[in-house]
Amino acid sequence: RKEVEQDPGPFNVPEGATVAFNCTYSNSASQSFFWYRQDCRKEPKLLMSVYSSGNEDGRFTAQLNRASQYISLLIRDSKLSDSATYLCVVRRGGGFKTIFGAGTRLFVKA
Amino acid sequence: ETGVTQTPRHLVMGMTNKKSLKCEQHLGHNAMYWYKQSAKKPLELMFVYSLEERVENNSVPSRFSPECPNSSHLFLHLHTLQPEDSALYLCASSLGTGTNNEQFFGPGTRLTVL
Repeated sequence: RKEVEQDPGPFNVPEGATVAFNCTYSNSASQSFFWYRQDCRKEPKLLMSVYSSGNEDGRFTAQLNRASQYISLLIRDSKLSDSATYLCVVRRGGGFKTIFGAGTRLFVKA
Repeated sequence: ETGVTQTPRHLVMGMTNKKSLKCEQHLGHNAMYWYKQSAKKPLELMFVYSLEERVENNSVPSRFSPECPNSSHLFLHLHTLQPEDSALYLCASSLGTGTNNEQFFGPGTRLTVL
């Protein structure tokens, strides 16, 4: 079983839709959680960190559920420019252990 | 614009060649990383350097040899690679190695091994 698992998608949604991604992790020693965005043939870029209390940045909301060992990302009012692969990232061991999920592909269509 | 640069951006090499990938960060960070991203697979962390000292080596074959001469530069020396080593090699840096430190990625080197 992979340590970090994501639904690979693809998710095909119309502009303006709300879409949610989940990511599960298996190691309870995991300490920090992030969502990164990766455009086609580009490097990953940090979208947001994920905190236990949940956090929001504009149209994006991230949640962490430590008891069930999953994190989520909600995108409201999807834009064409949101089309990308969203990577779930889990860190532990003082940061030396950084594990990426395989990513969830999102296509937003006009 | 990214503060992490990588050269070359594309590299094609034969299995008997020796080549090096270069990474430079202009962010004043103390930690640098090498990742491998193969097609349809997650990014895999290869090496971690903190203050020029290697602190993590994730069972990477010895045909990959990292070098960190100072906190701004990171190299990955390649020799006798295999076709399955073809991938995107990404360099990243962060202020420290703590779990909350954001990692900034370079654009990557796309490597093809013939």
